[in-house]
Amino acid sequence: EVQLVESGGGLVQPGRSMKLSCAASGFTFSSFPMAWVRQAPTKGLEWVATISTSGGSTYYRDSVKGRFTISRDNAKSTLYLQMNSLRSEDTATYYCTRLNYHFDYWGQGVMVTVSS
Amino acid sequence: IMLTQSPATLSVTPGESISLSCRASQSISTNLHWYQQKPNESPRVLIKYASQSISGIPSRFSGSGSGTDFTLNINRVEPEDFSVYYCQQSNSWPLTFGSGTKLEIK
Repeated sequence: EVQLVESGGGLVQPGRSMKLSCAASGFTFSSFPMAWVRQAPTKGLEWVATISTSGGSTYYRDSVKGRFTISRDNAKSTLYLQMNSLRSEDTATYYCTRLNYHFDYWGQGVMVTVSS
Repeated sequence: IMLTQSPATLSVTPGESISLSCRASQSISTNLHWYQQKPNESPRVLIKYASQSISGIPSRFSGSGSGTDFTLNINRVEPEDFSVYYCQQSNSWPLTFGSGTKLEIK
């Protein structure tokens, strides 16, 4: 059974940093690109970032470029999202997803609240 | 690529058959996928590549379309189907979602 379990969320002040993790199991992690998708409270879904199987290629939405870094550790079957210079508009539930051209598996999500 | 979903909200009675629309701002071939999100749950994929079924998804869900116009059909809506539906394109970066259609009980 595919499982994606996020951790690392919480309350953070504007301008500070936070790192999310996603522990994957139930599939060959190194064989799939992975992604983060977020959802602000009462809003729709928004793709954030994607990383290739090896980690050699990464893609970001414009609003997080230069502030967020997606990475992975295939030996640990873990996906990460380092978020720097956080803004109030980054407040959202962040979902770890497996990317199979579509998002075929989703974690339960982790809430990030950016507020002073 | 912008995806426009309509209607924003649809009120129906269980047992009705419905169609939800997703229109792309430019041609995306069949690189369009549909998701369902129930309250306080993570989204799940319903249909991939416009019309391909997903294992474990009830057969009352089907999709059609190509290019810029896509439709998600639900044949005889069940009580558990009342949720929000999103379309998403994988034709080009950035990956984008539609704003969603909320299916509610009339």
